[in-house]
Amino acid sequence: GAVVSQHPSRVICKSGTSVKIECRSLDFQATTMFWYRQFPKQSLMLMATSNEGSKATYEQGVEKDKFLINHASLTLSTLTVTSAHPEDSSFYICSAILSGAYEQYFGPGTRLTVT
Amino acid sequence: KNQVEQSPQSLIILEGKNCTLQCNYTVSPFSNLRWYKQDTGRGPVSLTIMTFSENTKSNGRYTATLDADTKQSSLHITASQLSDSASYICVVISNTNAGKSTFGDGTTLTVKP
Repeated sequence: GAVVSQHPSRVICKSGTSVKIECRSLDFQATTMFWYRQFPKQSLMLMATSNEGSKATYEQGVEKDKFLINHASLTLSTLTVTSAHPEDSSFYICSAILSGAYEQYFGPGTRLTVT
Repeated sequence: KNQVEQSPQSLIILEGKNCTLQCNYTVSPFSNLRWYKQDTGRGPVSLTIMTFSENTKSNGRYTATLDADTKQSSLHITASQLSDSASYICVVISNTNAGKSTFGDGTTLTVKP
């Protein structure tokens, strides 16, 4: 099946700094990518939907100025957590879909720890 | 409000035993339903995708069923293995609302030797 990668897999940063997470579709072109956040023992919570070449659509309650999403190409979307705080510590997962397809392929996730 | 409810919340079984996980949904209009397996600290991996017309679909030891009339799905795991220990997530996709996915909270399965 299709492969989605994320980088880095783990990151520790200090409070107030910014962190960029990359999501790549390795063997297919993804017109749409999704960003999720997952807290321990909870399900995935959709943060935003990212379409190539256009602005991301954020879910209610997600601050677009804090979680910057860029989907510059059909194989790459980035999530930048700006001015990170300890409460932003979470597991961030991206997914990508082929245009017109049902299947949603998830990345392996990025564990962010803000100290 | 579109919802997906999974049961049980957690389950412990012995290796080699079978188990069935349940998913009830209210998402409408319905497009498709997916079961994912998520290992701890990893992203979800697709097990099955079921469309409206499909009642049963198998993937190795995993068999998913769908009753679109009662809006229920189940995931049956046969001859469980230790590696089956994971969270199993039911996701229902709407036919409108931009194809939005609604996630269940998952069932945490622990297989013990």
